[in-house]
Amino acid sequence: GDSVTQMEGPVTLSEEAFLTINCTYTATGYPSLFWYVQYPGEGLQLLLKATKADDKGSNKGFEATYRKETTSFHLEKGSVQVSDSAVYFCALGVDSGAGSYQLTFGKGTKLSVIP
Amino acid sequence: DVKVTQSSRYLVKRTGEKVFLECVQDMDHENMFWYRQDPGLGLRLIYFSYDVKMKEKGDIPEGYSVSREKKERFSLILESASTNQTSMYLCASSLGLAGTKTQYFGPGTRLLVL
Repeated sequence: GDSVTQMEGPVTLSEEAFLTINCTYTATGYPSLFWYVQYPGEGLQLLLKATKADDKGSNKGFEATYRKETTSFHLEKGSVQVSDSAVYFCALGVDSGAGSYQLTFGKGTKLSVIP
Repeated sequence: DVKVTQSSRYLVKRTGEKVFLECVQDMDHENMFWYRQDPGLGLRLIYFSYDVKMKEKGDIPEGYSVSREKKERFSLILESASTNQTSMYLCASSLGLAGTKTQYFGPGTRLLVL
């Protein structure tokens, strides 16, 4: 079945450091890929998405490129801020017929940014 | 703006009680979902619904049921709460019948079963 593997945290970085959170996937069909973010005490919100190979999703300084050859969708940001402290989830969704409306999530990576 | 609301942020219930968690979305979305979130396990799908009165089991439906009488409202029911159902419960909705659509989440209900 479909699955998502993301690097386990927690990850602690100093402000202005470079961030990479690795995400790889296995899927049948042609998945769309997502990064969701969960700030403390809140639900998840979409950070960025990519719907086909070589697409780059970007938002709030974060970006991720859909790499079909390595089945990866790594999240990067050049300079993190304290306000980026959150849990980040990689997810995939596949159009594979009736009933296939769900997303498959990774286990989440907790990021803490210290001043 | 897209909005998904959940009836409670925090709930404390006793073992054996019947528990109702309510979720409402104002976006006219066809699909609605209930997940539970546990440390180290990520999000696991309990049930989802792709239309009024329609429901499908997710990965962990045991001990839960759902109800969708109106398009905007999706309820999760714990028939007889147990301590292993202590968790964070997240509701989500999406537009369109495709797994590639963005899901919009509510703020979550943190349930403690004593």
